[in-house]
Amino acid sequence: EVQLVESGGGLVQPGESVRLSCAASGFAFSSYRMHWVRQAPGKGLVWVSLIHADGSTNHADSVRGRFTISRDNAKNTVYLQMNSLRGEDTAVYYCARDAYGLSYWGQGTLVTVSS
Amino acid sequence: QSALTQPRSVSGSPGQSVTISCTGTSSDVGGYNYVSWYQQHPGKAPKVMIYDVTERPSGVPDRFSGSKSGNTASLTISGLQAEDEADYYCCSWAGNSLIFGGGTKVTVL
Repeated sequence: EVQLVESGGGLVQPGESVRLSCAASGFAFSSYRMHWVRQAPGKGLVWVSLIHADGSTNHADSVRGRFTISRDNAKNTVYLQMNSLRGEDTAVYYCARDAYGLSYWGQGTLVTVSS
Repeated sequence: QSALTQPRSVSGSPGQSVTISCTGTSSDVGGYNYVSWYQQHPGKAPKVMIYDVTERPSGVPDRFSGSKSGNTASLTISGLQAEDEADYYCCSWAGNSLIFGGGTKVTVL
């Protein structure tokens, strides 16, 4: 059974950093492109970052230079390092596997940026 | 990059059909056959309903169908059921990135 489990969210102050993790199981993790997608409270889905199977990455303009996506295929885990956090980064962050659309999603982890 | 344009809400009675449009540009919807649609119930993670414009994952009822013409993709729900009431998002590949629509709330009257 495919599972994606996010962790690392919580309350952080503006300007601080946090690293989110997404632990994958039930599939050949190293072969898949992975994404982070976020959803601010009461708002829509917004794409954040992707990492290809070969490790190449891309980020949305709104987070480029502050967020970094990475993967550890030995640990079947994808990460999102989030630096210089702002109030507008407050959201539930989902990781998702890219195959036949975003076919599997985690349950999400809430990041709240507030003083 | 701006979000794809979706109507904020659509509604229909049980058994009726509703169609949700998703308008982008030639750099996203019009440029690739990689449009997908997601259903999201309150407090839940999104679920893929359509991928690659017209393909339906195993387990998704055939009441859900997708299409595309030019820069506009569409999701049609035929034979609307109470459990179809949810938010729906389109999503397109945009050349090494994804772009989502703003979301459409489907209400079953």
